[in-house]
Amino acid sequence: NAGVTQTPKFQVLKTGQSMTLQCAQDMNHEYMSWYRQDPGMGLRLIHYSVGAGITDQGEVPNGYNVSRSTTEDFPLRLLSAAPSQTSVYFCASSYYRGAGADTQYFGPGTRLTVL
Amino acid sequence: RKEVEQDPGPFNVPEGATVAFNCTYSNSASQSFFWYRQDCRKEPKLLMSVYSSGNEDGRFTAQLNRASQYISLLIRDSKLSDSATYLCVVIDNNNDMRFGAGTRLTVKP
Repeated sequence: NAGVTQTPKFQVLKTGQSMTLQCAQDMNHEYMSWYRQDPGMGLRLIHYSVGAGITDQGEVPNGYNVSRSTTEDFPLRLLSAAPSQTSVYFCASSYYRGAGADTQYFGPGTRLTVL
Repeated sequence: RKEVEQDPGPFNVPEGATVAFNCTYSNSASQSFFWYRQDCRKEPKLLMSVYSSGNEDGRFTAQLNRASQYISLLIRDSKLSDSATYLCVVIDNNNDMRFGAGTRLTVKP
């Protein structure tokens, strides 16, 4: 049982490049989400999914796309990276949206720098 | 105004000290409340839930005041290993987690 895994751990991009941040969980959780963490801002919700085939926008969705073709995977795509997207990205999963924090699991994070 | 606000610190305290962190939230319909701990360059991890009646877990005590929309965390007998950033987290009425920016604590020998 690996929990929530994220790849890569670190990434440096140039402005305008695209990339996909991978997130996978092996706990059969229906709810998955992506957050970004910036200094002085706390974690902010980018996109979330309540099940395979269903995604929705969070607080800061602009510049990001997601899809959920399987229960296990929830990739985050940056179509044209901008320096404002330099951040630490966390993926999280739980059995359902609004589940107590004691059943919410976070991945180890991806540190992204956009030059 | 941020939905969840915390004093960013940093708090620098000696070992054995008692330290208290405060948090306020703006959405009165918020449902659940938590404290998370985040070590440098790591993911947040749940420290404890916060109940209206207050709750204690060893050296840690959490309190909630719904009328004032205020949450607190008290750490007694601080240890070096308590050095971390403490995040106040609220689940709002849309069932989304809202995070404070965190309060940084450094415990010194």
